[in-house]
Amino acid sequence: AQSVAQPEDQVNVAEGNPLTVKCTYSVSGNPYLFWYVQYPNRGLQFLLKYITGDNLVKGSYGFEAEFNKSQTSFHLKKPSALVSDSALYFCAVRADTGRRALTFGSGTRLQVQP
Amino acid sequence: GAGVSQSPSNKVTEKGKDVELRCDPISGHTALYWYRQSLGQGLEFLIYFQGNSAPDKSGLPSDRFSAERTGGSVSTLTIQRTQQEDSAVYLCASSFMDRGQVGYTFGSGTRLTVV
Repeated sequence: AQSVAQPEDQVNVAEGNPLTVKCTYSVSGNPYLFWYVQYPNRGLQFLLKYITGDNLVKGSYGFEAEFNKSQTSFHLKKPSALVSDSALYFCAVRADTGRRALTFGSGTRLQVQP
Repeated sequence: GAGVSQSPSNKVTEKGKDVELRCDPISGHTALYWYRQSLGQGLEFLIYFQGNSAPDKSGLPSDRFSAERTGGSVSTLTIQRTQQEDSAVYLCASSFMDRGQVGYTFGSGTRLTVV
């Protein structure tokens, strides 16, 4: 079985400050890890993924995430938050073999205050 | 097409009626997935299709839910005898896997309201 935990329902940060959205996972085998963002009444937009290679992954809109195998984490980060980053963020995982469907976390709402 | 297309974008139906939701995946993507997102919640896996293999139906919540994928392309999710708890956004995704790379693209979803 595989699972994702996003321990924070909401993260509040001031514009211009760094942000972190936490994600830990559990999977049998090597993980494929993803971050998606969802704006109101919209589908999921891909931000970044870790498949293999460098543990630090850079993605869209200045976001990055670090894969930490020992801590089974894949936290999303951005050095300087924008008000327009306010949205719902989902972390997802699947194993490198077997079932291809992604398992999602419950989501974290990011609120960036001006 | 350029993205995953879902129709209708919104559907209001009366309790007890059947509904069909359509998903048109990205051309060439071999796998197709259906998820359900209840208001303010995460994504709940429903079913996925991979090539010509038997679909993984392990996430379907009841036998009122079924899905098919014709010709390895378009998929239809059918909910029979809809209930109010079926109200949610139904998201479809398709994926590719090629030379070690993998990507998933989601449609904009169908918002289903059962009244």
